[in-house]
Amino acid sequence: GAGVSQSPRYKVAKRGQDVALRCDPISGHVSLFWYQQALGQGPEFLTYFQNEAQLDKSGLPSDRFFAERPEGSVSTLKIQRTQQEDSAVYLCASSLRGGLSYEQYFGPGTRLTVT
Amino acid sequence: AQSVTQLGSHVSVSEGALVLLRCNYSSSVPPYLFWYVQYPNQGLQLLLKYTTGATLVKGINGFEAEFKKSETSFHLTKPSAHMSDAAEYFCAVSEGGNTGKLIFGQGTTLQVKP
Repeated sequence: GAGVSQSPRYKVAKRGQDVALRCDPISGHVSLFWYQQALGQGPEFLTYFQNEAQLDKSGLPSDRFFAERPEGSVSTLKIQRTQQEDSAVYLCASSLRGGLSYEQYFGPGTRLTVT
Repeated sequence: AQSVTQLGSHVSVSEGALVLLRCNYSSSVPPYLFWYVQYPNQGLQLLLKYTTGATLVKGINGFEAEFKKSETSFHLTKPSAHMSDAAEYFCAVSEGGNTGKLIFGQGTTLQVKP
């Protein structure tokens, strides 16, 4: 069956541009997570959705970062006025439900390079 | 606050040798602990997890990990390394709750030499 997919896989943006990163979770998965993985680091939590509700956005680094999941399936992470420090791999994960009884399935990530 | 420390950013072993990847955690509540593997250009894949119960946890591909509360450790082992084990390994902790969000260590790159 299809796993979590993300697009684009690679994105190069000039500093100051806006970008939108898409995540298609596994069908039927209620929970969706975004993580940011800087080069040589482990993933860091950005935000969490349960269906269309954004229940935790404590990891978003600034108000330039915005995430949405309007219909409870596909999610978009938007970064406004990109900065060089935004360069990272952005990982999306989905799970059947919230909590730890359900495995998080990760997508391949979108590698964002800000020049 | 919870945190994870992985000792050694790079580990190199010979094929057939023991694999030992170290992970120590900090948590103010009983932790839930995970090991993930990441192959190049792929997403993270769950190897194993500890929530409650038996402290020795067996995972996929012959890996296992032991939760040692007194040492706040959750080291990953495999008796005999295979070339296909070469990858990035991440230890993670979660406090549980409704979301299950994960806090990851910095990762350890495992190199397997023929």
